Amino acid sequence: LAKTTQPISMDSYEGQEVNITCSHNNIATNDYITWYQQFPSQGPRFIIQGYKTKVTNEVASLFIPADRKSSTLSLPRVSLSDTAVYYCLVGPRWAGNMLTFGGGTRLMVKP
Amino acid sequence: DTEVTQTPKHLVMGMTNKKSLKCEQHMGHRAMYWYKQKAKKPPELMFVYSYEKLSINESVPSRFSPECPNSSLLNLHLHALQPEDSALYLCASSQDLGGQGADQGYTFGSGTRLTVV
Repeated sequence: LAKTTQPISMDSYEGQEVNITCSHNNIATNDYITWYQQFPSQGPRFIIQGYKTKVTNEVASLFIPADRKSSTLSLPRVSLSDTAVYYCLVGPRWAGNMLTFGGGTRLMVKP
Repeated sequence: DTEVTQTPKHLVMGMTNKKSLKCEQHMGHRAMYWYKQKAKKPPELMFVYSYEKLSINESVPSRFSPECPNSSLLNLHLHALQPEDSALYLCASSQDLGGQGADQGYTFGSGTRLTVV
């Protein structure tokens, strides 16, 4: 399974756009890229998933360059409630072996 | 119903106790998972059930014993735990193995905060 590298932590201010980049240099052809958000003492929550180019939903956008060796989660106009840990996961659909969570990025949004 | 429900939310147990954690989902998902998460660390996979059969055991000590009575329920039986087993235990489900693809990945419960004294 592709190993992922993310920044350990990031700070931002309310109203700003936040971009969190994940590196996955050995991503395989069948791998998807999925991002999860986790608040303290809660389970991770699915945010967005993509395979290539750009994906957008009501919460975030996911940008994936043509070589797919990295991806960027974009959170528009963050609020205090976006303070959480964000995990990037990469793996094939029929892994048989489950996705391994990397270290995640701890985002702190300040007023 | 788009939730995974875990009970209890908090559990304190002694090292000689036997207790069980419960997980339930009614989304028709066929894969269910147990994860363990220590403070400020990512979740670590423990067990995977697919179609009610144990698919993966990530070298978890035998003091943790999973059970899948039916497609909606997943239990984790605990016996003779150690203080270092204190953690947040998360249950998750997905439409099928892997949690990737066209569906919405994994759906996690809120976890059981376990303290072993």
